[in-house]
Amino acid sequence: TQLLEQSPQFLSIQEGENLTVYCNSSSVFSSLQWYRQEPGEGPVLLVTVVTGGEVKKLKRLTFQFGDARKDSSLHITAAQPGDTGLYLCAGEGGTPLVFGKGTRLSVIA
Amino acid sequence: NAGVTQTPKFRVLKTGQSMTLLCAQDMNHEYMYWYRQDPGMGLRLIHYSVGEGTTAKGEVPDGYNVSRLKKQNFLLGLESAAPSQTSVYFCASSLFGSGPYEQYFGPGTRLTVT
Repeated sequence: TQLLEQSPQFLSIQEGENLTVYCNSSSVFSSLQWYRQEPGEGPVLLVTVVTGGEVKKLKRLTFQFGDARKDSSLHITAAQPGDTGLYLCAGEGGTPLVFGKGTRLSVIA
Repeated sequence: NAGVTQTPKFRVLKTGQSMTLLCAQDMNHEYMYWYRQDPGMGLRLIHYSVGEGTTAKGEVPDGYNVSRLKKQNFLLGLESAAPSQTSVYFCASSLFGSGPYEQYFGPGTRLTVT
């Protein structure tokens, strides 16, 4: 069974701080996706990383896929209250996607 | 495009009652999924479908049934609701299943079983 472990589970920071959340597995994935879920809504895709070592930037968010395609990280620079939400990673290694349990981020103004 | 829609948004059931949750997508996606989300448990897959007329079990299928009679619709049924089925239910769809395809989620149904 493929599992994705996300850490930390909860994170509360002040506006303007930087943070990194992690998504780790002992399994190799063909690709990895990051979703953000805001309260009362369904998750929305932020990015997909496909190649080992790949780095993608989305404004203040930087996503990295590990060289061995077993882990990924999400770094947020100068966090804003609008970044508050649940961040989920999901690995593709067949059907269906395997989701981590998420990191719940709270950015305080 | 409406994307993925779910009906109803909220529901309260008594133990033993039955109900059906409806999911509809207008993106001509082949794959559809039902998840439940509980605090600290993340998204857990209940059932999924790889195409019209097909269904498959996910991680937590017990107590639920599904049907995909039309490509655009995926129904989730609870035959005899139990308090353990209190949760937020999300439907999702994707163009295909294998490959880096985005899953599009509906807004969720909050179900309480008393």
